Amino acid sequence: QVQLQESGPGLVKPSQTLSLTCTVSGYSISSGHYWAWIRQPPGKGLEWIGSIFHTGTTNYNPSLKSRVTISVDTSKNQFSLRLSSVTAADTAVHYCARFSSSGFYDSSGYYGSDFDYWGQGTLVTVSS
Amino acid sequence: DIQMTQSPSTLSASVGDRVTITCRASQTISRWLAWYRQKPGTAPKLLIYKVSSLQSEVPSRFSGTGSGTEFTLTISSLQPDDFATYYCQQYYAHPYTFGQGTKLEIK
Repeated sequence: QVQLQESGPGLVKPSQTLSLTCTVSGYSISSGHYWAWIRQPPGKGLEWIGSIFHTGTTNYNPSLKSRVTISVDTSKNQFSLRLSSVTAADTAVHYCARFSSSGFYDSSGYYGSDFDYWGQGTLVTVSS
Repeated sequence: DIQMTQSPSTLSASVGDRVTITCRASQTISRWLAWYRQKPGTAPKLLIYKVSSLQSEVPSRFSGTGSGTEFTLTISSLQPDDFATYYCQQYYAHPYTFGQGTKLEIK
């Protein structure tokens, strides 16, 4: 059974860096699949932040790209999110998720898919 | 970015009702669309992928149709567990985007 668990500080001060880690169990990240971070401000919808493959290949949402870094540690079966220069607008429940294998590759190497496994989510509040 | 617009935003129905939620894309996304159900305080759960493929262990009362820019999710006979918020998601192109959600309430 694939399980994902987010961890990290629940409170971050404005202008500082938000850091979260997703620990995967029941599946080896090195076996494949893309992995993602998705966030949801309180009472609002879902926003894809970015994704990473086990090789380290990343893709980021252009709206956040200048502030986001996603990395992977296959030895710990974890991947991580860093979001710099946070403001109150970054307050959200942050989810880590796995891309399913039922997506598609196009000729440019783009991979698109749905998300079949999700962590429970962790609320990160940006406040002084 | 591809904008996903769901309608209605809120839907009131009763147990046993048949309901349909619509999702429209701002440009064609072929058949690369998924549907999720989210209960309060929990993560979204994948229901349907590639427009109409039912995720493992998802009840057959859920079904999806559509192509191009217009898609629908139908629940044939509402169960108490189905009162939640539903999201569509396109994965035709980066950035992956979601609809704003449809909240299904008990009438």
